[in-house]
Amino acid sequence: GNSVTQMEGPVTLSEEAFLTINCTYTATGYPSLFWYVQYPGEGLQLLLKATKADDKGSNKGFEATYRKETTSFHLEKGSVQVSDSAVYFCALSKPGGTSYGKLTFGQGTILTVHP
Amino acid sequence: IAGITQAPTSQILAAGRRMTLRCTQDMRHNAMYWYRQDLGLGLRLIHYSNTAGTTGKGEVPDGYSVSRANTDDFPLTLASAVPSQTSVYFCASSPGQGDHEQFFGPGTRLTVL
Repeated sequence: GNSVTQMEGPVTLSEEAFLTINCTYTATGYPSLFWYVQYPGEGLQLLLKATKADDKGSNKGFEATYRKETTSFHLEKGSVQVSDSAVYFCALSKPGGTSYGKLTFGQGTILTVHP
Repeated sequence: IAGITQAPTSQILAAGRRMTLRCTQDMRHNAMYWYRQDLGLGLRLIHYSNTAGTTGKGEVPDGYSVSRANTDDFPLTLASAVPSQTSVYFCASSPGQGDHEQFFGPGTRLTVL
């Protein structure tokens, strides 16, 4: 079946540091890939997505590139801010058939950014 | 626009009791989902509904039931709660089939003693 594996956390960085959160997936065919973010006390919200190989999703300074050859979708940001402190989830979706857009999530990575 | 609302915000429940978690969306989305969030496990799908009148089982459906009588509401029922159902429960919706974004509610924190 489908699965998503994220790097072990938590991650602690100083403000303006470079961020990478690794994500790899297992799926047949061509899934769509997502990064969701969960701020403290809130539900998840979509951060960015990519729907085909070599696509780059970007939003709020975050980027991730769909790499089919390495089955990866690593999240990066060049300069993090304290306000980026949150839990980040990588997820995939296999539209069509019985999967019908259902998301399979990674375990989540807690990011804490200090001033 | 409220988006997705969930109730209650939190609940402490005795084992063996019946409990219904409520979820309502005002976006007229076709698809709705229930997830549970547990530390180290991410979010796991409990049940889903592609459209009003239909439901399906997700990854961890045992001990839970759902109904979808109309487009807006998607309640989740625990018929006889057990401590392993202690979790944070999120309801989500999306416009329908395809790569649409899922919109999440604020969650319900449930503790079963």
